[in-house]
Amino acid sequence: DQQVKQNSPSLSVQEGRISILNCDYTNSMFDYFLWYKKYPAEGPTFLISISSIKDKNEDGRFTVFLNKSAKHLSLHIVPSQPGDSAVYFCAASADTGNQFYFGTGTSLTVIP
Amino acid sequence: EADIYQTPRYLVIGTGKKITLECSQTMGHDKMYWYQQDPGMELHLIHYSYGVNSTEKGDLSSESTVSRIRTEHFPLTLESARPSHTSQYLCASSGWTGMNTEAFFGQGTRLTVV
Repeated sequence: DQQVKQNSPSLSVQEGRISILNCDYTNSMFDYFLWYKKYPAEGPTFLISISSIKDKNEDGRFTVFLNKSAKHLSLHIVPSQPGDSAVYFCAASADTGNQFYFGTGTSLTVIP
Repeated sequence: EADIYQTPRYLVIGTGKKITLECSQTMGHDKMYWYQQDPGMELHLIHYSYGVNSTEKGDLSSESTVSRIRTEHFPLTLESARPSHTSQYLCASSGWTGMNTEAFFGQGTRLTVV
């Protein structure tokens, strides 16, 4: 049973606009959430994370929002750039856990 | 910049061959992981290690084996490759600083078994 879900396989956005990528999770023990960016035939690259004690974390153009009651997080990219085109994976872990659980990814295309 | 390396990047090999995928990190991380990923799918954990001489199987059943004789090295071995093993294999490591921390990934090995 998948514990981290990304229900949108793909997303297209115009350059300069906002990209919003969504992620849902089922395990209430998760207390640390991450977003990774991945190009084909490359390993994932860490983007931004958030602890469950916060509801927002910002790093430059990237902001992650966490809604614990809804078990939902989202990644906002503003403004979107063509170089942001990649697959974005949401991941989660628990303090007492031993691994990171990943979603299936959302392929973002930023159209120039 | 993450200092974790995987070799080879690409490998095409015949059925029945034994292969070892190499993974090394220079960050001194205790935890290391092997994930398997196919296009459009999530990353599946197949092995992990807490430290030297510690290895555990992940959620996804795998016919591969791993070893952790040195902190920096976490190789994955397939004794007899099959076409069903064709996939991308991703090695990662993470440290512990008293709080949660991210995993750093290598560039991956794209394995094709013919």
